[in-house]
Amino acid sequence: EAGVTQFPSHSVIEKGQTVTLRCDPISGHDNLYWYRRVMGKEIKFLLHFVKESKQDESGMPNNRFLAERTGGTYSTLKVQPAELEDSGVYFCASRSSTDTQYFGPGTRLTVL
Amino acid sequence: AQKITQTQPGMFVQEKEAVTLDCTYDTSDQSYGLFWYKQPSSGEMIFLIYQGSYDEQNATEGRYSLNFQKARKSANLVISASQLGDSAMYFCAMREGWRFNKFYFGSGTKLNVKP
Repeated sequence: EAGVTQFPSHSVIEKGQTVTLRCDPISGHDNLYWYRRVMGKEIKFLLHFVKESKQDESGMPNNRFLAERTGGTYSTLKVQPAELEDSGVYFCASRSSTDTQYFGPGTRLTVL
Repeated sequence: AQKITQTQPGMFVQEKEAVTLDCTYDTSDQSYGLFWYKQPSSGEMIFLIYQGSYDEQNATEGRYSLNFQKARKSANLVISASQLGDSAMYFCAMREGWRFNKFYFGSGTKLNVKP
């Protein structure tokens, strides 16, 4: 069974540009989460989807971040326009009905 | 206040010895879950072990065990017979309550296993 996949693995963009990160959860997992780790800090929750609905988006830093999960399968996280402080590693995780979240390899975003 | 505290930024252990990575948590919920993840240099987060707040016995998974002390709010990870491949970052995480299931993470412990 394939794990959680994320694309791209790395992205380097300039301040003011737009970047879209993609996450493909484990097949059949209704729950999908986005997290972020900025340099030297804890991994922080961004938002949680149940199927295509946003269950909790309390961790989204501001309205420059837009997450979607059309059809309840893969999810995208768009940052527009990107700022320097958005640099970090963005993790996606998915979960079935059990407690454990399974994480993808992350996308390392660098904003110059 | 920090929900999860990992006080050891870095640790060394000799190959084949056991090592304990500390984790304390803060919650007023009765129902919660505690997790440990390993992040090798390649970057992926690998699930290691889970302990539910109502579980009376400490969780074990192969060489990993979780020393759960509820009254002290600690959930230390014990790795027995360390191997070179255990060198990695280790994160403790907590799921609080049942409604949202979002995780709170500690800052991580970098473990280095010496040959």
